[in-house]
Amino acid sequence: QVQLVQSGAEVRKPGSSVKVSCKASGGNIRTYAISWVRQAPGQGLEWMGRIIPIAGTANNAQKFQDRVTITADTSTNTAYMELNNLTSVDTAVYYCARVGCSGNNCYFEYWGQGTLITVSS
Amino acid sequence: DIQMTQSPSSLSASVGDRVIITCRASQSISNYLNWYQQKPGKAPKVLIYAASSLQSGVPSRFSGSGSGTDFTLTISSLQPEDFATYYCQQSYSPRALTFGGGTKVEIK
Repeated sequence: QVQLVQSGAEVRKPGSSVKVSCKASGGNIRTYAISWVRQAPGQGLEWMGRIIPIAGTANNAQKFQDRVTITADTSTNTAYMELNNLTSVDTAVYYCARVGCSGNNCYFEYWGQGTLITVSS
Repeated sequence: DIQMTQSPSSLSASVGDRVIITCRASQSISNYLNWYQQKPGKAPKVLIYAASSLQSGVPSRFSGSGSGTDFTLTISSLQPEDFATYYCQQSYSPRALTFGGGTKVEIK
């Protein structure tokens, strides 16, 4: 059974950066897309971007184009999401999710437990 | 980006009720539509993928239908453990995935 375990909660000051990790067990992240999804307090789900480790490609949602960097280390089966230039609106729970696919239809099959990032001066 | 609009944003229902949640895409997405359930403090869980395929382990009271721009999630007989928030998500544009705004199902 695939499990995604994320790094712990962080508090950051405005203008700083944060890097969240997502370590997979029970499966190799190499061949599956890993996405990052965030959820502000009391709000809905927001897709931030993804990486396909086997292809070495990553792309971000337009909203996060310049501020998010998603990487993966296949040797440790770990994906990372770094968010720069933090403001208070970035306070949220950040999830990693691994896709499963049925033919061309892909969906978020496995999720990490979430990491709370709090941005406060 | 493809916009996903869910309705209603919230509803109150009783155990045993039939519940229908709708999701509309701003353009045709064929059957590239997934449904998730999220309970407070927990990560979302996939219920339905490809518009109508039931994820393994999900109770058969959940069903999905639709194609193109209009989709529905139906809970045939609401159970106490079904009180949660439900999200639709399109996977038609894998480089620009989007979610609906969510539907909170509350106890009447």
